[in-house]
Amino acid sequence: GESVGLHLPTLSVQEGDNSIINCAYSNSASDYFIWYKQESGKGPQFIIDIRSNMDKRQGQRVTVLLNKTVKHLSLQIAATQPGDSAVYFCADGGQGGKLIFGQGTELSVKP
Amino acid sequence: GAGVSQSPSNKVTEKGKDVELRCDPISGHTALYWYRQSLGQGLEFLIYFQGNSAPDKSGLPSDRFSAERTGGSVSTLTIQRTQQEDSAVYLCASSLSSGSYEQYFGPGTRLTVT
Repeated sequence: GESVGLHLPTLSVQEGDNSIINCAYSNSASDYFIWYKQESGKGPQFIIDIRSNMDKRQGQRVTVLLNKTVKHLSLQIAATQPGDSAVYFCADGGQGGKLIFGQGTELSVKP
Repeated sequence: GAGVSQSPSNKVTEKGKDVELRCDPISGHTALYWYRQSLGQGLEFLIYFQGNSAPDKSGLPSDRFSAERTGGSVSTLTIQRTQQEDSAVYLCASSLSSGSYEQYFGPGTRLTVT
């Protein structure tokens, strides 16, 4: 079946550096992807999304890149701050409303 | 405004007992979803409701799991004869419609089966 996976379970960066979190997906028909941030003890929080007719989408300090050729997407966080420390999930949102989540990458920001 | 709320926040139960988990979606949201998150894992889809349509139950792991949504608002997830492998955080989300993909999540219910 479909799957969504992340390349690294943990990522540690220095405050102020840029962070890049990667994700691969298996369903070439998927047309919508979302990144979520989950802080300890809380539910996931929407960060940014991208549709398959786009290669790049920017938000506030975040950018999502989509490479449909290799079925890969990434989340870039500029000037990473301690408040960015959390687990980040990519999700395939093109399955009739339900989301298929990857395993998550835990981002730690060192002051 | 108020977000998605879930109750209880924590539930400890003995193996074999039934449990009910409650979700109050954001007012006006017609789509409601249940997910399960095991320790250190991603979220696993369980079931979703859209308006008055029949729910999509394709993610329910066994017939011990069921859910209902009364009056198009509050939803209850019921697990019968709980097993230790049911221990997880159960998350509820809602969205304006199933076509509006931004899902807003509640804080979850942490279920521990002893």
